[in-house]
Amino acid sequence: AQSVTQPDIHITVSEGASLELRCNYSYGATPYLFWYVQSPGQGLQLLLKYFSGDTLVQGIKGFEAEFKRSQSSFNLRKPSVHWSDAAEYFCAVGALFISNFGNEKLTFGTGTRLTIIP
Amino acid sequence: ETGVTQTPRHLVMGMTNKKSLKCEQHLGHNAMYWYKQSAKKPLELMFVYSLEERVENNSVPSRFSPECPNSSHLFLHLHTLQPEDSALYLCASSQEATPLYEQYFGPGTRLTVT
Repeated sequence: AQSVTQPDIHITVSEGASLELRCNYSYGATPYLFWYVQSPGQGLQLLLKYFSGDTLVQGIKGFEAEFKRSQSSFNLRKPSVHWSDAAEYFCAVGALFISNFGNEKLTFGTGTRLTIIP
Repeated sequence: ETGVTQTPRHLVMGMTNKKSLKCEQHLGHNAMYWYKQSAKKPLELMFVYSLEERVENNSVPSRFSPECPNSSHLFLHLHTLQPEDSALYLCASSQEATPLYEQYFGPGTRLTVT
């Protein structure tokens, strides 16, 4: 079965600094990869996704992520964070395997909480 | 209303109560999902419906009972819950029940079981 690891539970960065959130996945083939963001009191919102092709993908709010097959990683980056980026970030993998009821599904990591300091 | 809405936003219930969570999507999607979000644990998929037919039941205890009367509405009926069921319950929808399509999430219902 596929799995997702987000090794950093909590990260604090200064406003204007660069950001990298780590995500490692385990899956036997090329997965679909996603980053979601959850602001306090809100549901999850998709930032970006990777299905195939160019391994550097651009998302909303100035975020990008790079798929590295050799490292089984899909790290999220932003060159300069804003106070409004404070939120929880979830990496997810979607697999094409057949689950109990014959469909595909997303598997999420445990999330990384991002705090921005002035 | 746009997107995915959930009611109530907060719910406190005793272990012997019966309550229901409601989700409504205004996106014309064919698939709807229930997830459980607990602190320090990954988001857990509970149920998936595609065109009102349940296509995934992820080993969820029978005290959780989903209902999908049409493609726009999804309910989660709760009865005789346990304190460990306290969590944020998120509803989501997507065009089809596959990760190829983006899932849109509601704000969640914060459930506390006393």
